[in-house]
Amino acid sequence: SQKIEQNSEALNIQEGKTATLTCNYTNYSPAYLQWYRQDPGRGPVFLLLIRENEKEKRKERLKVTFDTTLKQSLFHITASQPADSATYLCVSRGSGGGADGLTFGKGTHLIIQP
Amino acid sequence: GAGVSQSPRYKVAKRGQDVALRCDPISGHVSLFWYQQALGQGPEFLTYFQNEAQLDKSGLPSDRFFAERPEGSVSTLKIQRTQQEDSAVYLCASSLFSGGLPEQYFGPGTRLTVT
Repeated sequence: SQKIEQNSEALNIQEGKTATLTCNYTNYSPAYLQWYRQDPGRGPVFLLLIRENEKEKRKERLKVTFDTTLKQSLFHITASQPADSATYLCVSRGSGGGADGLTFGKGTHLIIQP
Repeated sequence: GAGVSQSPRYKVAKRGQDVALRCDPISGHVSLFWYQQALGQGPEFLTYFQNEAQLDKSGLPSDRFFAERPEGSVSTLKIQRTQQEDSAVYLCASSLFSGGLPEQYFGPGTRLTVT
């Protein structure tokens, strides 16, 4: 079955550094990948979407890459701030129509230390 | 404008009780999704509506789970004869277009605890 894997261990980064989160997928070729942020007690919030024919997408301090050879997406936060501390979720859907097979990773808990 | 709202925010049910969880999506959004999120896990897809049509219910864990969206706006997720393993946060999301692209807007979730 299709699978999204994220490092579910907490990632501790010092303020001001770049945080890099990894999302690996297996057993399928997603048409796109999305990244969401989730704070405790809240629903996920959409951040970025990258399609299979795009190598990189940027939004302010955020950058996402999509490597279909490695079957991997990297999510970068530059100049990280304590307010960036949250859980970041990678989500995808396979190629083809319908809403079947929406798949979320477990999320990576990012902690930015002042 | 108003985002996706869910009610109740918290629900405690005794095992065997029926519960109904409500989702008010963003006005005009075509797609509506329900997810189940266990502690420390990512959301897991339950079901998908396009307007009033339930196009995918492959994620519903058992026939005790039932969802509806009769007028293509508000949706209700009903769980009959609740079990302890049903304890989780139930998230609702809506999207302007069919299929959930380009992004989904999530509600705050309903935390269900079955005792």
